[in-house]
Amino acid sequence: DTGVSQDPRHKITKRGQNVTFRCDPISEHNRLYWYRQTLGQGPEFLTYFQNEAQLEKSRLLSDRFSAERPKGSFSTLEIQRTEQGDSAMYLCASSGTGGADGYTFGSGTRLTVV
Amino acid sequence: GEDVEQSLFLSVREGDSSVINCTYTDSSSTYLYWYKQEPGAGLQLLTYIFSNMDMKQDQRLTVLLNKKDKHLSLRIADTQTGDSAIYFCAESINTPLVFGKGTRLSVIA
Repeated sequence: DTGVSQDPRHKITKRGQNVTFRCDPISEHNRLYWYRQTLGQGPEFLTYFQNEAQLEKSRLLSDRFSAERPKGSFSTLEIQRTEQGDSAMYLCASSGTGGADGYTFGSGTRLTVV
Repeated sequence: GEDVEQSLFLSVREGDSSVINCTYTDSSSTYLYWYKQEPGAGLQLLTYIFSNMDMKQDQRLTVLLNKKDKHLSLRIADTQTGDSAIYFCAESINTPLVFGKGTRLSVIA
């Protein structure tokens, strides 16, 4: 297993367009998380899944954001009608259900909305 | 509520020790973590401490936890230029992890 993979690494889009990001977690991990990180800030929680169930969504996740994990493996995060304020690094992480190992993060997808 | 505070910058000379501090608000945190982020990269787990421990040592890293004051620190011995990065403290009560804003460590050769 090569860790958590995110695709694409970079995405530049025009305001108003839709974008979709993909995350492939570590295969043994049943939990998958999405975070957003802007310049000078720590990662901010967006949503997480246990297997295919979306268990929690942050108030940061507006109606334009949707996440899925249809088979409990990879996940997608879609942003509709992008705005300049959506420009950020989107980080995916996965974990088991125990706490000791923490989360394993992917390298992130950097979104720039122009 | 959950809140994690860190000082934003730290500058040390190569070979010295670095101490990065963090305060958290939720006394029911079960695990506390330190992550490292290099430019353009994701976060790398450095170490963690369970809430019933006071100290944990892992090679050059020493984590100290003061539950009474809700204070966590990370000491890096013999700091090297490769340690230059942003260090994040994170707490776990229940999922998900809550992160601080990070401390940018600059190591001067």
